Amino acid sequence: KQEVTQIPAALSVPEGENLVLNCSFTDSAIYNLQWFRQDPGKGLTSLLLIQSSQREQTSGRLNASLDKSSGRSTLYIAASQPGDSATYLCAVGGGGGSNYKLTFGKGTLLTVNP
Amino acid sequence: DGGITQSPKYLFRKEGQNVTLSCEQNLNHDAMYWYRQDPGQGLRLIYYSQIVNDFQKGDIAEGYSVSREKKESFPLTVTSAQKNPTAFYLCASASEGIRQQPQHFGDGTRLSIL
Repeated sequence: KQEVTQIPAALSVPEGENLVLNCSFTDSAIYNLQWFRQDPGKGLTSLLLIQSSQREQTSGRLNASLDKSSGRSTLYIAASQPGDSATYLCAVGGGGGSNYKLTFGKGTLLTVNP
Repeated sequence: DGGITQSPKYLFRKEGQNVTLSCEQNLNHDAMYWYRQDPGQGLRLIYYSQIVNDFQKGDIAEGYSVSREKKESFPLTVTSAQKNPTAFYLCASASEGIRQQPQHFGDGTRLSIL
């Protein structure tokens, strides 16, 4: 069974700081990995999708890396802003016999203070 | 704009009552999914459908039922057999592909018990 862990569970930083969110998974036989953002009471917005053959993806101030062999991914946010405050969810596709679905972590609650 | 529409935003269920959550997409996606989100937990898959007139149980299907009569629609019924239905329900869809994964989410329906 695939399991996904996100550390830390919560993070509070001052505006302008660079920060890293961590995600680990137990079965490295994955198809891809996604990072999502969730605002309170809302659905998920896909931020970055990394295929298993890729090492990283970038979008604006966001950079996600994937080390499949070690079962780890990081989401790097540069020059954080108060508007970045949200819950960030990591999800892996496949692995653990679950080839048809995403397995989600519990998320990291990020607060960026002005 | 293409997207996923979930309705209603809030729903209340009485004891012994079945309730139906609506999910409609105009993205022309083949696959659709229903997830349940509880506080402090990751998303858990209830049911998924990869094509019209076909659907499969996810990890927590007991007490729920679905139908997929049209490509655009994937309603979820929470039956009276679901003893702990209070949660945030999210619908998602994915484009055609062998390793299709949910990338587009609706804004969710919050279900509570009266």
